[in-house]
Amino acid sequence: GQNIDQPTEMTATEGAIVQINCTYQTSGFNGLFWYQQHAGEAPTFLSYNVLDGLEEKGRFSSFLSRSKGYSYLLLKELQMKDSASYLCAVLDSNYQLIWGAGTKLIIKP
Amino acid sequence: GAVVSQHPSWVICKSGTSVKIECRSLDFQATTMFWYRQFPKQSLMLMATSNEGSKATYEQGVEKDKFLINHASLTLSTLTVTSAHPEDSSFYICSTNPGGDNSPLHFGNGTRLTVT
Repeated sequence: GQNIDQPTEMTATEGAIVQINCTYQTSGFNGLFWYQQHAGEAPTFLSYNVLDGLEEKGRFSSFLSRSKGYSYLLLKELQMKDSASYLCAVLDSNYQLIWGAGTKLIIKP
Repeated sequence: GAVVSQHPSWVICKSGTSVKIECRSLDFQATTMFWYRQFPKQSLMLMATSNEGSKATYEQGVEKDKFLINHASLTLSTLTVTSAHPEDSSFYICSTNPGGDNSPLHFGNGTRLTVT
């Protein structure tokens, strides 16, 4: 079966750095997405990785290792508004999007 | 970027009634629309994929006679929850990927459905 694992919940301090991990086992791979979802709202796109390595976009970076079936989202200089759920999603060989359950990130002052 | 407008944002209805949710693509033509459902503290679950001018493709376990999807034009897709029951209370979100298969999804703002 296809599976995506991410921690259920993480807590971090304002101004700090946090890394949210995602591991996947899917039928093929056509890219990995990270989305941010605030409570009661729809997800918004953060990043897309299809090649190995680190993609940096402002305070957020996303890393991919296809051989390890592993990705992480790195958030720097955490702000209170970063409190949200972070969803990892993988495009399989049929271009079907497989979603992780999401990681709820709690930022404390 | 591409904008998807979803209405209503929230709706409360009585058990047994039907509710229609609309999603419009405002600045592009949406050939395909994905309909998701999300229960509290759970991830997105794909319900069905609609393609303009053809029948929707439903995921396993989703009743196509209960969740009617219409995609009659390139700018409008609708989901009708028929004979709603309290267990249908959920967050329904439409999305599309105007850039193609490996492009990011653009989501509507979602509809919070509460069935009493």
